[in-house]
Amino acid sequence: EPEVTQTPSHQVTQMGQEVILRCVPISNHLYFYWYRQILGQKVEFLVSFYNNEISEKSEIFDDQFSVERPDGSNFTLKIRSTKLEDSAMYFCASSGGSDRVLETQYFGPGTRLLVL
Amino acid sequence: LAKTTQPISMDSYEGQEVNITCSHNNIATNDYITWYQQFPSQGPRFIIQGYKTKVTNEVASLFIPADRKSSTLSLPRVSLSDTAVYYCLVGFSGGYNKLIFGAGTRLAVHP
Repeated sequence: EPEVTQTPSHQVTQMGQEVILRCVPISNHLYFYWYRQILGQKVEFLVSFYNNEISEKSEIFDDQFSVERPDGSNFTLKIRSTKLEDSAMYFCASSGGSDRVLETQYFGPGTRLLVL
Repeated sequence: LAKTTQPISMDSYEGQEVNITCSHNNIATNDYITWYQQFPSQGPRFIIQGYKTKVTNEVASLFIPADRKSSTLSLPRVSLSDTAVYYCLVGFSGGYNKLIFGAGTRLAVHP
């Protein structure tokens, strides 16, 4: 079964540093997403991406965050200047994006980011 | 997006059937009901989705009454590996729609 992959699985960084989280969505999917989950809390939507542009973003996704699809396979989340409160598990997801009513999002295994 | 309410936690034993009910009183006409499962330190995983009546797949069944204001996820004969958090989500499921997760139901299956 095709799956979403993410690298790295763990990342430790110093406050103020830039980090790039990488994702390889399922190959024929058209819509891509980032979510995050702070330890012990809910999964929160960050951003959705389609046709090389952001479709929707949450209040969490401020100017410190950016997303990019640099090539035909990768989807990245960049945090420009990390803060302590950015420590969380970051999940990438993708979906087929057809006109079908029933649409499932497939999640990757996550990147655990720790900001010191 | 419709608000959902589900129990914070449930306990069960191996081999039992588990039913998790979710309330969604303000569900809209074009909303679907979707359940995801999340194991610790993993991403959520789609379990089942439905609009009305009953849907069954190899993992679970989903029961939706005629008024659609609630739904019940049924897990037959649970095992220890079914210990996870189960999320009920309600919304239109097409296109790029974001998923809004609540706190979910933490299911603990005991030997």
